[in-house]
Formats: sequence, C-alpha cells, structure tokens
Amino acid sequence: QSVLTQPPSVSAAAGQKVTISCSGSSSNIGDNYVSWYQQLPGTAPKLLIYDNYKRPSGIPDRFSGSKSGTSATLDITGLQTGDEADYYCGTWDDDLSYGRVFGGGTRLTVL
Amino acid sequence: QVQLVESGGDLVKPGGSLRLSCAASGFSFSDYSMSWIRQAPGRGLEWLSYISKSGDDIIYSDSVKGRFTISRDNAKRSVFLQMNSLRADDTAVYYCARDITVPGDTYYFHYWGQGTMVTVSS
Repeated sequence: QSVLTQPPSVSAAAGQKVTISCSGSSSNIGDNYVSWYQQLPGTAPKLLIYDNYKRPSGIPDRFSGSKSGTSATLDITGLQTGDEADYYCGTWDDDLSYGRVFGGGTRLTVL
Repeated sequence: QVQLVESGGDLVKPGGSLRLSCAASGFSFSDYSMSWIRQAPGRGLEWLSYISKSGDDIIYSDSVKGRFTISRDNAKRSVFLQMNSLRADDTAVYYCARDITVPGDTYYFHYWGQGTMVTVSS
C-alpha cells in the first residue's frame, strides 16, 4: 500500500485532455516537490515532470504538472495513442527515514 | 547521451545471492548520486537504495535493509547492488537511476536504465 494514492486507471479519447491525480499528506506532497514518470509498455520509466511542474528537455508541453496542498496532478492534452502508458508520481516523505516514495501508478488508455 | 546499463539479473534459489551492476556513460558519474528501484511483475515502482556521489551516504528501504548492500566505483563509473538472503518476493525488474537529491529541496530520478530481471524461485 503506497502512501501516495493514484487512480488505477483513466481513459480519454484521442485529442482530448486527461488528468491524473496523486493524493498524499502533509508529510509528503504537502511539504515536498512532486515528480512524474511515464512508463510505456515494456520499457523503463522516464522522467516527465519534476519540481511539481518543470519539464526535462525533450518533454512536450502537452504534459504539465501542478500541486495544490496535499495533492498533485498531471495533465496531458492533445492525447495520442502513443501516450498509452503507466504514470507514476513520486516525492519525499518526511515521516520515513528513507523518504523516497512512489504512487501506485495509473494506467492511461487512449480510446 | 546519458546511458545506464544494468546487468547481473538471473534465476536464483530462495536464500541465494546475486550482485547487480549498473554501468554509466555520457555524464560525469562521480558528480551524481544513484539509486536502485525495482518493479515486481505487474506491480508498481519500489525505491530500494540510495548512494551519494562519494559513497559516504547510503540509505535503504525497510524491505531490503540488512539484506542488500549498495556500493559504487567511481573509477569504473559503476554502481552495484549486492543482494543476499533472496526471497520469492524479491522477484522483479531492477532499475538503476541517476538520483537528484537536494536535501530539503528536491528529489527525483532523472535517468533510468533499461532494467535487469531477477527471479527468485526454487
């Protein structure tokens, strides 16, 4: 059971927008930056968003992140079939000696 | 470009040991901390262990503390994970990742390797 809660699955039509949520608490999301990772089928995870909203070089601006209180969201606009993947949020948890935690992951289906 | 290549995954019996390696290229390895993260079949990501750029600071998750040992050789641009007392629930793909840790500020995993499969079964 992860300390960060994500919906198991979301879906939306190609060209539309989808929002993936990541819910935590004051000891993790409420007090620390959030990152997001995309894992395409059969591949390794890739950094999508860091520091709540920043995109690494090469990540299209169709992907955006935000944080409010103890929740974070990943928005994907102009959905493409190639966006079908698992998405994970991650952050630091002040209550854990090792700190690093991930959400359980969300499977995105593009209809 | 940044490349991380894991190796060493294998089929091992419960109670056995295995040593994973991660070879880095395309960046100044000694300037970055590293982490190991795993993913059991059909499951999510689980962070396992962190090592600072000098190797002086090491952290483990509760699930592997006392059984796994992380180390690095900056001259060989490699990070290692020695896994002892392996159990069936250690079966997973193991990834190394370049770890961006600024205490009290930011934490994320910038680059990931392709992973190496560890299967623990009799």
